[in-house]
Amino acid sequence: EPEVTQTPSHQVTQMGQEVILRCVPISNHLYFYWYRQILGQKVEFLVSFYNNEISEKSEIFDDQFSVERPDGSNFTLKIRSTKLEDSAMYFCASSYAGTINEQFFGPGTRLTVL
Amino acid sequence: AQSVTQLDSQVPVFEEAPVELRCNYSSSVSVYLFWYVQYPNQGLQLLLKYLSGSTLVKGINGFEAEFNKSQTSFHLRKPSVHISDTAEYFCAVSLPTGGFKTIFGAGTRLFVKA
Repeated sequence: EPEVTQTPSHQVTQMGQEVILRCVPISNHLYFYWYRQILGQKVEFLVSFYNNEISEKSEIFDDQFSVERPDGSNFTLKIRSTKLEDSAMYFCASSYAGTINEQFFGPGTRLTVL
Repeated sequence: AQSVTQLDSQVPVFEEAPVELRCNYSSSVSVYLFWYVQYPNQGLQLLLKYLSGSTLVKGINGFEAEFNKSQTSFHLRKPSVHISDTAEYFCAVSLPTGGFKTIFGAGTRLFVKA
C-alpha cells in the first residue's frame, strides 16, 4: 500500500540554524500539506500546497518557513532560523485530486531545537 | 471559523467495556469529518471518515462513529475495547474549499485497563 514517507525521523539542531524536513508524498497525489504537533498539544495546520504554489497558510507559517517541491517526488519544509519553540513533531500529508479532503499522513519528523 | 471540541481529555476504561469518545464541531459550511488514532511515538492513522451518505460510519479496529448534523457531533464508539486500543484519538474536520486544511481537536487519551 502506498504511503507518505518523511526523513529524517528525528532532527536535532541548534537555535538559529536552518533545517529542511523532507517528505515523499504518495506518487499520484497532487495536494500537499504540513502540520505540526508540539509535545502534548493538538495537531496544527501549517500550509497547503498545490500546483507549485501555496494554497493556504496559517498564522504560524511566518517568513521563517518556506515550502518547496524541488522535483517530482519530494516536498520540503524549510525553517530558516530555528527557535526553541519550533521544537515539535512535523507531519507531512498528501491527498489525491479525487478525494481532496482525505489526507494521508506520514510518520512525522521530530524536530528538537537546543 | 471552524473548530473542533473533544469533550474529554482522558477516558479510562476497563478492557472489554464499551467506550464513546465525544466530538463536537463548529462550522458555517459543510465539512468532512475524520477520526485519527496516534499510538505512542507514531504518526496519525485514519480510523474512519464521513464524507457523505450514511451517517453511521464504520472504520478499522471495530470502531464506528455517527454523524449528527443537528447536534454537530461525530462521536466515536467501540462496543468492546482491548488493551491495544490505548492511544490518543483525534477528531478532525476538513474544509471543502480553499486550502483543504484539516482542523484537529485537542485529542482524547484512551487508556484501557486490564
